[in-house]
Amino acid sequence: DGGITQSPKYLFRKEGQNVTLSCEQNLNHDAMYWYRQDPGQGLRLIYYSQIVNDFQKGDIAEGYSVSREKKESFPLTVTSAQKNPTAFYLCASSIISGTGGYSNQPQHFGDGTRLSIL
Amino acid sequence: GQQLNQSPQSMFIQEGEDVSMNCTSSSIFNTWLWYKQEPGEGPVLLIALYKAGELTSNGRLTAQFGITRKDSFLNISASIPSDVGIYFCAAPATGANSKLTFGKGITLSVRP
Repeated sequence: DGGITQSPKYLFRKEGQNVTLSCEQNLNHDAMYWYRQDPGQGLRLIYYSQIVNDFQKGDIAEGYSVSREKKESFPLTVTSAQKNPTAFYLCASSIISGTGGYSNQPQHFGDGTRLSIL
Repeated sequence: GQQLNQSPQSMFIQEGEDVSMNCTSSSIFNTWLWYKQEPGEGPVLLIALYKAGELTSNGRLTAQFGITRKDSFLNISASIPSDVGIYFCAAPATGANSKLTFGKGITLSVRP
């Protein structure tokens, strides 16, 4: 079945440690996204990528980094610079249609990774 | 910036009741999306709306794209316990990118 796979489901980080969250999709979608979700805050965009080897900062990119070496994969690294990393992280992907990369296509989400601080 | 407003933050209803929730903005959008998120999982797309005035159903769910293009409504009829979750509205941000703007969501609880 086509879909988005996030791993691991639960992740623990020690102080000063970088951790990487995995996101893989087999939907052949061009665009991929990372969101952070905190209680009562909704979804906040961290980074997004519309094409391989290119990505843009979202609204809360500080303390995070990404790479897009393959169309199917968009890993997120939570660096030690992110002082409050405890959250639920969601990866999504979508088709891009229209000119200029504009898309009215829905995003499809993985099941998330819950990151906690030890 | 463009914001989508959903309120109240939480709703409590009795099983069997109908419930209506809306999503409003001061900006015009050409697409409205409704998602549901269950605890510990990612949001799942319920309904997508692409035309002003459009009314679309998905089982007991019905959503409408407001005529002004500044709002959308989601109705759930004859609620059941498995309807519990967070309901988000979303719409594509304007400009040459593929970002979505999300509302903060409404948490729905259904009492048996």
